[in-house]
Amino acid sequence: SQELEQSPQSLIVQEGKNLTINCTSSKTLYGLYWYKQKYGEGLIFLMMLQKGGEEKSHEKITAKLDEKKQQSSLHITASQPSHAGIYLCGADKGNTPLVFGKGTRLSVIA
Amino acid sequence: NAGVTQTPKFQVLKTGQSMTLQCAQDMNHEYMSWYRQDPGMGLRLIHYSVGAGITDQGEVPNGYNVSRSTTEDFPLRLLSAAPSQTSVYFCASSYSSGLNTIYFGEGSWLTVV
Repeated sequence: SQELEQSPQSLIVQEGKNLTINCTSSKTLYGLYWYKQKYGEGLIFLMMLQKGGEEKSHEKITAKLDEKKQQSSLHITASQPSHAGIYLCGADKGNTPLVFGKGTRLSVIA
Repeated sequence: NAGVTQTPKFQVLKTGQSMTLQCAQDMNHEYMSWYRQDPGMGLRLIHYSVGAGITDQGEVPNGYNVSRSTTEDFPLRLLSAAPSQTSVYFCASSYSSGLNTIYFGEGSWLTVV
């Protein structure tokens, strides 16, 4: 079965610093989704990546899918308190619902 | 356009009680699914449906029952609640499989005492 490993499990960064979250799959990814979850709330869709080498950006968040389509990274530039939350990657298996990683908990301190 | 609506948002149950978490979507999506989220475990798939009348088990189906009599609704039933079912439950829907935007409900917080 598809397994997704996210690293790190948790991250504390100072406001203004850059950070990267990784999502590694044991199998080739058909597609990779990134979601953000604020504590105690639902999931917010960030980006979807499909093609090897694809890179997408939204505001200060950039996500990439590597050429071999087995790893994705989420990079936040100049972090802000509003970036705090849990970041989840989800893998598209083609014909069943997404399989998710365990999440990365991000805290941004002043 | 309401998207994916889950009810109730919060619920406390006693061990052994049964209840149904409701999920409805108004986007005419074929695919619907239920996940549970526990600390440090991410989201785990409970059951899913690829269309009305069709359901299948996910990773953690035990203790839960689903049915899909209409395209819009996908209720999740807890047959006899156990403390291990204390969790946050999310319903999701999408137009089809493959690379489509997947919409999530706002979650249902369930505590079993």
